[in-house]
Amino acid sequence: EPEVTQTPSHQVTQMGQEVILRCVPISNHLYFYWYRQILGQKVEFLVSFYNNEISEKSEIFDDQFSVERPDGSNFTLKIRSTKLEDSAMYFCASSGSRYEAFFGQGTRLTVV
Amino acid sequence: GEDVEQSLFLSVREGDSSVINCTYTDSSSTYLYWYKQEPGAGLQLLTYIFSNMDMKQDQRLTVLLNKKDKHLSLRIADTQTGDSAIYFCAETVGAGNNRKLIWGLGTSLAVNP
Repeated sequence: EPEVTQTPSHQVTQMGQEVILRCVPISNHLYFYWYRQILGQKVEFLVSFYNNEISEKSEIFDDQFSVERPDGSNFTLKIRSTKLEDSAMYFCASSGSRYEAFFGQGTRLTVV
Repeated sequence: GEDVEQSLFLSVREGDSSVINCTYTDSSSTYLYWYKQEPGAGLQLLTYIFSNMDMKQDQRLTVLLNKKDKHLSLRIADTQTGDSAIYFCAETVGAGNNRKLIWGLGTSLAVNP
């Protein structure tokens, strides 16, 4: 069964460093998303991506964040200068329609 | 603003039915979802219901939607220990390509043998 895959599963980084979280969405899906879950808090929307551009982004998704679909299969989230409060589980999702979103296993980002 | 609320914990005995409840605020939500997260795993789409439906059944799962009260429930019949997980309720907000999911905090279901 097709699935969304994310790498790495866990990343530890020093404050101020750049990180890139990688996702391989389900092939032939057209809509891509990043969500995050800070420990003990709700899953929150970061950004949606369709037709090679951002459809919508949340207030959290400031200039420190960027997304890219570099080669038609990967979908990446870059955080330019990580802060302690960026520590969270980051989930990538893809959708072939607007109604179902399939999520990856998540990347646990720990900023120290 | 949009919000989704769920009770945090539910404990049931194996073989009993589990009912997980959720309330949401956005009356224009078109789809409502239930996701399951097992320990160390990702968010698995369990089922969803369109807002013009009252009920949806899928094997052991029954989803009930009360649109007037903005209340969604997930019933798991014959609950098994393998059903122990966190269950998230989520609603869609936005339109067109700008849809996104608003999530509850999750209900941790413990199934006791």
